[in-house]
Amino acid sequence: EAGVVQSPRYKIIEKKQPVAFWCNPISGHNTLYWYLQNLGQGPELLIRYENEEAVDDSQLPKDRFSAERLKGVDSTLKIQPAELGDSAVYLCASSLGGRSAYNEQFFGPGTRLTVL
Amino acid sequence: LAKTTQPISMDSYEGQEVNITCSHNNIATNDYITWYQQFPSQGPRFIIQGYKTKVTNEVASLFIPADRKSSTLSLPRVSLSDTAVYYCLVGNQAGTALIFGKGTTLSVSS
Repeated sequence: EAGVVQSPRYKIIEKKQPVAFWCNPISGHNTLYWYLQNLGQGPELLIRYENEEAVDDSQLPKDRFSAERLKGVDSTLKIQPAELGDSAVYLCASSLGGRSAYNEQFFGPGTRLTVL
Repeated sequence: LAKTTQPISMDSYEGQEVNITCSHNNIATNDYITWYQQFPSQGPRFIIQGYKTKVTNEVASLFIPADRKSSTLSLPRVSLSDTAVYYCLVGNQAGTALIFGKGTTLSVSS
């Protein structure tokens, strides 16, 4: 079974340019997460989707970041315009969802963004 | 959400047992304790999860005392490939509200 797929794996852009990341979760997983990970730090949650609904976006900098999960499957995360401080690894994760049991999160390999 | 405290780094040699302790003094009654492992250039990977006492799987054991204010991840007979960052997390049963700290960087040498 394929894991969480992310693309691109690496992206280098100049500041003020837009950038988009794409995530394809594991088939059948209703919950999707976007995390940001800075060097030497643990992942920080940006947004969580339950199907197509964003249920936790309190940590998403909405002035420049946006996300969508059309049809409750694939998701994109966009930054416009990018700033130097946005250089980080952007991780996507998915889990089954539901209330009855613990939902292990499966992470993708991440997209390493470098803003010059 | 309960915060966790764990050592920044640990060193070990191949074949040794490694115990990483995490403190979570403010754990809530319904919180579960979960450990993830992360290798360089990869996303974190679930290792083990528990609520109380002891949980064991093919990779590790998790020991949780009765007061649940701490937990210990035990890795038996580590190898070089166990060199990674280990995160201790406390969160709701659904596992949706996880807060990753800096984790513990485990370095295994030959």
